[in-house]
Amino acid sequence: KNQVEQSPQSLIILEGKNCTLQCNYTVSPFSNLRWYKQDTGRGPVSLTIMTFSENTKSNGRYTATLDADTKQSSLHITASQLSDSASYICVVSDAGKYIFGTGTRLKVLA
Amino acid sequence: DAGVIQSPRHEVTEMGQEVTLRCKPISGHDYLFWYRQTMMRGLELLIYFNNNVPIDDSGMPEDRFSAKMPNASFSTLKIQPSEPRDSAVYFCASSLGGTGYNEQFFGPGTRLTVL
Repeated sequence: KNQVEQSPQSLIILEGKNCTLQCNYTVSPFSNLRWYKQDTGRGPVSLTIMTFSENTKSNGRYTATLDADTKQSSLHITASQLSDSASYICVVSDAGKYIFGTGTRLKVLA
Repeated sequence: DAGVIQSPRHEVTEMGQEVTLRCKPISGHDYLFWYRQTMMRGLELLIYFNNNVPIDDSGMPEDRFSAKMPNASFSTLKIQPSEPRDSAVYFCASSLGGTGYNEQFFGPGTRLTVL
């Protein structure tokens, strides 16, 4: 069964600290993996997308990694800001369907 | 471009009533998706259209749910009759292409509460 699991479910960090969110998947065949950021009361917004051949991609302070062999991805946030408080959703595509993780809720405290 | 537009933003209704959610995709996008989001299950794909034609409705929970796309700039998701377990945030998204590599742009969502 195609599944996407994210950890931790929730995370609280202090402003300025770094953090790493995890995404493990069992989707096959694999086409691509995308990370979304969802602010409270808004729809998700894409941060990065990676295909099978890519193992790292950055978008400002966000860096996503992909290990297609172990079927794991991580999203690293550097020097966190209050505006990073949001849910982060990992989505894996098998070239036909989109399988969503349940997300990690990040809270950044001043 | 104004992005994906959804209406209403909030809907409160009583069990048994009909609910209609509306979506205007980004102009030029040929794929339109309807999602439901709850705390327990996260985002679930309900149905998606390509060029106004429904392609995959396997996520529609039951016959009480129906979706239409009469033209390229408008889609509706209808629930009749509504039940309390339908309470969720419903998102509409559109994309240019639907290979999975194409970014989906989400609307702000409709928060539905069924009493």
